[in-house]
Amino acid sequence: DIQMTQSPSSLSASVGDRVTITCQASQDISNYLNWYQQKPGKAPKLLIYDASNLVTGVPSRFSGSGSETDFTFTISSLQPEDIATYYCQQYDNLPYTFGQGTKLEIK
Amino acid sequence: EVQLVESGGGLVQPGGSLRLSCAASGFTFSSYWMTWVRQAPGKGLEWVANIKQDGSEKYYVDSVKGRFTISRDNAKNSLYLQMNSLRAEDTAVYYCARDRGQVDYWGQGTLVTVSS
Repeated sequence: DIQMTQSPSSLSASVGDRVTITCQASQDISNYLNWYQQKPGKAPKLLIYDASNLVTGVPSRFSGSGSETDFTFTISSLQPEDIATYYCQQYDNLPYTFGQGTKLEIK
Repeated sequence: EVQLVESGGGLVQPGGSLRLSCAASGFTFSSYWMTWVRQAPGKGLEWVANIKQDGSEKYYVDSVKGRFTISRDNAKNSLYLQMNSLRAEDTAVYYCARDRGQVDYWGQGTLVTVSS
């Protein structure tokens, strides 16, 4: 199985800060990498697919980049409503695997 | 509007069985792979199984192989997960989701608790 190593596991930042989360795959997954946001008690929401494509309707402050094994998720200017846990997920090979999550908090 | 509504969760004893259902609407159900993802309390996301549009291909995470069976009824726009020989570690919220590689629509989840 492909292992997805996400870091950091938690992050505290101020409103307006630039926030970056990384995800490393245990093998080359090309760009088959998605990012999800999950708020407490809610289902995950797809934000970015194929490493860098923003889902329609998702604010442009969210972005993704990377390929092969190294990927980055960025919030350019943190907003209070962005408080959530974020997950990466690969779909190059089954089983799909997720990173362990990054819990984002407001400082 | 795409909607996925799970049902069938509840409390079950270890070794017991449960069948989850997912009613889909707002899209052409028979045109999409569908998937189940679970989340243990306070933990991360774990992909469980998925099924091809016509049900001809099914895949499972190793930890549920031989115990869980995914199926679908395209005439009823419904997805199912038959769970047998349940263990405490299967306790989780189970999400039904549309699968395009990217899991783009999710249900609200149904809680399965395996405990004596």
